[in-house]
Amino acid sequence: DTEVTQTPKHLVMGMTNKKSLKCEQHMGHRAMYWYKQKAKKPPELMFVYSYEKLSINESVPSRFSPECPNSSLLNLHLHALQPEDSALYLCASSQVGPQGPPLHFGNGTRLTVT
Amino acid sequence: KQEVTQIPAALSVPEGENLVLNCSFTDSAIYNLQWFRQDPGKGLTSLLLIQSSQREQTSGRLNASLDKSSGRSTLYIAASQPGDSATYLCALGTGANNLFFGTGTRLTVIP
Repeated sequence: DTEVTQTPKHLVMGMTNKKSLKCEQHMGHRAMYWYKQKAKKPPELMFVYSYEKLSINESVPSRFSPECPNSSLLNLHLHALQPEDSALYLCASSQVGPQGPPLHFGNGTRLTVT
Repeated sequence: KQEVTQIPAALSVPEGENLVLNCSFTDSAIYNLQWFRQDPGKGLTSLLLIQSSQREQTSGRLNASLDKSSGRSTLYIAASQPGDSATYLCALGTGANNLFFGTGTRLTVIP
C-alpha cells in the first residue's frame, strides 16, 4: 500500500467543468509534487511545492492551478481542460534535502476529459 | 538538458531467468538515481535509490549499479517471477527537487 493517497482514482469531466484532484501524505515530507503521465510515456513534472511554497512550475497552462493548504495536503484545481489533458496525474512527496531524497508516489488519478 | 534512455523498450523472459535492464544518461552531474516499477494504470513504486557517491544498492533479488563516468546504470533481477512483470523506470535526481525519467522498459515474465 502506498503512503501517498490520491483521490479520486478516476475522474471524467467535461471541458466546462471545474474539478479538483487531492493528495495527502502523513510521512512528514515537506516537498510535494504533481506529475502528468500520458500512456506509454514517462511522468513529466508539473509543479513542486517546498515548505508549502510553489518552487517549480514547469510552464504548465493556467487551466491547472495547484494549491498546498498545509504540509500534508496538495490539490490540483482543474478548469476548462482540453481532451489532450486526459492522462494519469501522479502526486509524490519527499523530504527536502540537497542530496535529492527519494520520491514516494501515489497511485494516481486517471483523468478523462470529454 | 539531461536525456535518459532505457534499452530495451520491452523484454520477455521465461520465469526463473536472470535479467538486466539498462539506463543511460547524458549528464553525469547527478545527485542520485532511483529505480521504480509501475504496474499498468498504477503509480510508481520505488525499488532502489543509489546516491551519486555509491556504486550499487541491493534489495532482495534486485541489484542496481551506477557508473557516473560512463553515464550508465543497470538493474539486475535474479530468478525472475511472473509478479515481476511491470514497467521499470529509472529516474535521475539532479537537485532542485526534480527527477528526469527514462523512457521505461516493459518487462514480461512468462510462467
